Amino acid sequence: NAGVTQTPKFRVLKTGQSMTLLCAQDMNHEYMYWYRQDPGMGLRLIHYSVGEGTTAKGEVPDGYNVSRLKKQNFLLGLESAAPSQTSVYFCASSSLGGPKGQPQHFGDGTRLSIL
Amino acid sequence: SQQGEEDPQALSIQEGENATMNCSYKTSINNLQWYRQNSGRGLVHLILIRSNEREKHSGRLRVTLDTSKKSSSLLITASRAADTASYFCATSPREGNAGGTSYGKLTFGQGTILTVHP
Repeated sequence: NAGVTQTPKFRVLKTGQSMTLLCAQDMNHEYMYWYRQDPGMGLRLIHYSVGEGTTAKGEVPDGYNVSRLKKQNFLLGLESAAPSQTSVYFCASSSLGGPKGQPQHFGDGTRLSIL
Repeated sequence: SQQGEEDPQALSIQEGENATMNCSYKTSINNLQWYRQNSGRGLVHLILIRSNEREKHSGRLRVTLDTSKKSSSLLITASRAADTASYFCATSPREGNAGGTSYGKLTFGQGTILTVHP
C-alpha cells in the first residue's frame, strides 16, 4: 500500500543544472498532478495529466516540462534550474470522478534547493 | 491566483476545545475539499463536499458549504494534540465544457495553521 511515491526526497542544485523528479502511484489512477508549495502559500498546480501520454499546463508551468509515458509514472523536469524554483514539490493522483470529483492522494514531497 | 482564502491564518487552542476554520472562494465549483498537512509531510484528504450538499460529517469533523456565499467551514470537535497541523481548503472549479469537469484539478487556499496545546 505505497500509494504515491516521490523520488528523490531532497536535492540541491546549482543554477542552470537540470534534473527530473519522479512520481509513481500504484492505485491505477488516471489523473496525476504536480504542485509546488512555497512558504506562506498553498499549493499551486504546475502541470497535470488526465491519462497515459497526455499532459496539460496548470497555473505555473513556465520552466518545467512533464511526461507521462506510463500510467503509473509522472515525471517533472527542470531543464535549467533557477533560484526561483526553490520549493517543495508534491505529486498527487486521483481516480476518474467526472464533475462530482474525487479526492487526491499525495506523496510526501521533494524538497529542492537551487543555489 | 489562490481561489480559496482561509481564515484565520493561525489558530491556537487547548486540547478538548473545538476548532473552526473558514474558507471563501470566488468561482462556481463542483466540490470543495479539506486536507491536512503535518509538518514535513504530504497532504492528507479529510473530507469532500459536493456543490449540492450543505453539510457533511466524518468522525470529529463537520464541514458546511454555502454556495450562495461561496464559503465553507471546517469544525474539529474535541481537539487533540495530534490534530496540530496545517489545514487547507481546495476547490474543484466548474468549467465551461459540456460535462463541467475540471479533470480533478484543485485550487488550494493558503491554509490555517492549527496548534492544539496539551
